[in-house]
Amino acid sequence: DAGVIQSPRHEVTEMGQEVTLRCKPISGHDYLFWYRQTMMRGLELLIYFNNNVPIDDSGMPEDRFSAKMPNASFSTLKIQPSEPRDSAVYFCASSLPQWVQYFGPGTRLTVT
Amino acid sequence: ILNVEQSPQSLHVQEGDSTNFTCSFPSSNFYALHWYRWETAKSPEALFVMTLNGDEKKKGRISATLNTKEGYSYLYIKGSQPEDSATYLCALNTGGFKTIFGAGTRLFVKA
Repeated sequence: DAGVIQSPRHEVTEMGQEVTLRCKPISGHDYLFWYRQTMMRGLELLIYFNNNVPIDDSGMPEDRFSAKMPNASFSTLKIQPSEPRDSAVYFCASSLPQWVQYFGPGTRLTVT
Repeated sequence: ILNVEQSPQSLHVQEGDSTNFTCSFPSSNFYALHWYRWETAKSPEALFVMTLNGDEKKKGRISATLNTKEGYSYLYIKGSQPEDSATYLCALNTGGFKTIFGAGTRLFVKA
């Protein structure tokens, strides 16, 4: 298996632009997680899905952030409009119900 | 607000030294504890998942123990090697799949 796939790996955009991050979980995994990593706050859970349904989005910073999972093999995290403080590494992870999470390589987002 | 504390923040050891780090968590909210290893420029990789008080897990030279009553877990590395250099994260699962990560212990092993 190729593992969790994320794209793009790097994204540089200007403030105010829409940013879409993509994730393909490991086939057969029921759970998908979006995390954000910053120097100040470490690794934070933004939202997670179970069987494509969002279960807990309490970590989503504000209305500018939205996440979807239209099917079992694809999820997006969208930021609109983006701001410089959104600059971070965004990780996607997936798991089976045994709780071990497999992380993707991350997307490094820079908003200028 | 639940807090997962890890200490020390960073650690420098010589090759061959054995070392250990601590993860502290509120014992009243325990469901499972994870340890991850995170190398620079890579993504976190799961080491252990522990659920029962007194659990001990081992993977090669790395082992972990769990005390849910007092709210701590130790990670031990025996005979550290330069390739063990990484950030070691612990994460608390409080039920459901919500996971709270500690800030990590950054280990540097000098050859």
